[in-house]
Amino acid sequence: LAKTTQPISMDSYEGQEVNITCSHNNIATNDYITWYQQFPSQGPRFIIQGYKTKVTNEVASLFIPADRKSSTLSLPRVSLSDTAVYYCLVRNNTDKLIFGTGTRLQVFP
Amino acid sequence: NAGVTQTPKFQVLKTGQSMTLQCAQDMNHNSMYWYRQDPGMGLRLIYYSASEGTTDKGEVPNGYNVSRLNKREFSLRLESAAPSQTSVYFCASRGRTETYEQYFGPGTRLTVT
Repeated sequence: LAKTTQPISMDSYEGQEVNITCSHNNIATNDYITWYQQFPSQGPRFIIQGYKTKVTNEVASLFIPADRKSSTLSLPRVSLSDTAVYYCLVRNNTDKLIFGTGTRLQVFP
Repeated sequence: NAGVTQTPKFQVLKTGQSMTLQCAQDMNHNSMYWYRQDPGMGLRLIYYSASEGTTDKGEVPNGYNVSRLNKREFSLRLESAAPSQTSVYFCASRGRTETYEQYFGPGTRLTVT
């Protein structure tokens, strides 16, 4: 399983764009990159998944360069309610899904 | 459609006591998981079950046992609780979809004194 590395914490202000980068140097050919969001006292929830290039949904965008050794979760115009922990996972077609330590995002008014 | 439910929500145990955490899902998912989350830390996989009748160890299985009772239910048992097992326990399930999206329960907050 590919190991992931993320910043421990980030701060931002309301209305700014936030980019959280995840490093996964030993990603395998059939691995996908998945991001989850966790609010205090709740279980994580799925945000977005990608394999290469760019994926966008109503919540976020995910940018993956050609070598796929890193990925960047982009949150446009964050609000206070985006304060949470964000996890990057690399998974293949197995059921063993491992979370890393995550990035704690704090949004200030 | 309740999703993933966990019981109990809170539990206090004394060292050496045993208990079983219950998890059930109503989404007809094949895979189920147990994670623990210590204060201020990330989630760590304890055990998982890829399908009814199968279970596999995760990152931190010591001190725990699991039972996949049927497709809906996946229980986690602590035979002899230790203070190091004080944590929030999350159950999750996943269907056979392209995104491998996991759905998490609300968690069980366990304190071992």
